[in-house]
Amino acid sequence: AQSVTQPDIHITVSEGASLELRCNYSYGATPYLFWYVQSPGQGLQLLLKYFSGDTLVQGIKGFEAEFKRSQSSFNLRKPSVHWSDAAEYFCAVGPYNTDKLIFGTGTRLQVFP
Amino acid sequence: NAGVTQTPKFQVLKTGQSMTLQCAQDMNHNSMYWYRQDPGMGLRLIYYSASEGTTDKGEVPNGYNVSRLNKREFSLRLESAAPSQTSVYFCASSEALRAGYGYTFGSGTRLTVV
Repeated sequence: AQSVTQPDIHITVSEGASLELRCNYSYGATPYLFWYVQSPGQGLQLLLKYFSGDTLVQGIKGFEAEFKRSQSSFNLRKPSVHWSDAAEYFCAVGPYNTDKLIFGTGTRLQVFP
Repeated sequence: NAGVTQTPKFQVLKTGQSMTLQCAQDMNHNSMYWYRQDPGMGLRLIYYSASEGTTDKGEVPNGYNVSRLNKREFSLRLESAAPSQTSVYFCASSEALRAGYGYTFGSGTRLTVV
């Protein structure tokens, strides 16, 4: 069955530190891959997406993600975290043959000054 | 502003009551979706509509019904609310997921069933 795993439920970093949020998927072929961010009490906002081509994709707010086919991973990174990045982050997979996204369980990011 | 509008934002129901969550998008998207979000479980798909006039079950459809009223509107109905349906409900739309477009989400409806 198709699935998305975000192994880290909660991550705490200091402002200015680098960040990497992990995402692994299980699917027979390379699906579409997405990262969304949710601020408290808000809906989800698209950070970036991968369809094909260059495996390093740039998104909004200084985020980037790297697709690694051999590891079935799509990890989100940011070189220097800002306090405003504190939020919940969701990885999502969109298999080519459906119109539905499958979401991971999310990673809550806390940023200390 | 263009986007997905959900109403109401908050609702408290008694067990057994019914209600309809409304969703409308003004981006001329073909596909619309209803998800529920529960702590530690991420977002789970309840129902979706790939195009006007069609609806399909998602991962957790029991206890819910939907109507794709037209291309803009996609409503979710709880016929007899249960405490297990306490959740945050999100509506989303997409131009064409198969073409690689992501979702645009509404701001959510927080539902409590007592």
